[in-house]
Amino acid sequence: AQSVTQLDSHVSVSEGTPVLLRCNYSSSYSPSLFWYVQHPNKGLQLLLKYTSAATLVKGINGFEAEFKKSETSFHLTKPSAHMSDAAEYFCVVRGYSSASKIIFGSGTRLSIRP
Amino acid sequence: KAGVTQTPRYLIKTRGQQVTLSCSPISGHRSVSWYQQTPGQGLQFLFEYFSETQRNKGNFPGRFSGRQFSNSRSEMNVSTLELGDSALYLCASSEASGRAADTQYFGPGTRLTVL
Repeated sequence: AQSVTQLDSHVSVSEGTPVLLRCNYSSSYSPSLFWYVQHPNKGLQLLLKYTSAATLVKGINGFEAEFKKSETSFHLTKPSAHMSDAAEYFCVVRGYSSASKIIFGSGTRLSIRP
Repeated sequence: KAGVTQTPRYLIKTRGQQVTLSCSPISGHRSVSWYQQTPGQGLQFLFEYFSETQRNKGNFPGRFSGRQFSNSRSEMNVSTLELGDSALYLCASSEASGRAADTQYFGPGTRLTVL
């Protein structure tokens, strides 16, 4: 069975400061992990994905995430927040099989203070 | 390539009616998945279709059904609508190469309001 937990429902940071969005997962097998972003009234856009290659994954718009098997975590980070980063972020887990269901986290709303 | 398109974008129905939503995947993509997004339940997986066959199914009642056509376009149907079915319905397509790490590309969604 798989599950994913996003530890913060809302994160607020000042523009230019680092961003940390936390995600823990549970999976019986080696999972595939994704981060998606959803801007207001828009569909979801893939930020990055982990596919059992490099544990540090770089994505679009300066975001990156590190897969830590010992901590079952896949936290999303960005060194310097920009106003355009304000959005909802979803951590997603899927088992390593096309028959595996896709499980979305509950989402973290990121607010950026000027 | 054009992205995933969903029609209609907005829909208002009354309780007891039925509704059909349509999704056209990215050209060449063979898998289509459907999700329901609500403020209370978040994003929940409905079902996934590949080569006209349902490959995966979420925990939704039988009122929710779908199908996929030979050109990979997909429709989902909700019968006997309930107020709780009001939601944003998202469609996503992927190449379905067989790898679980296939990226899903999402459409803008259909906003369904049930009165």
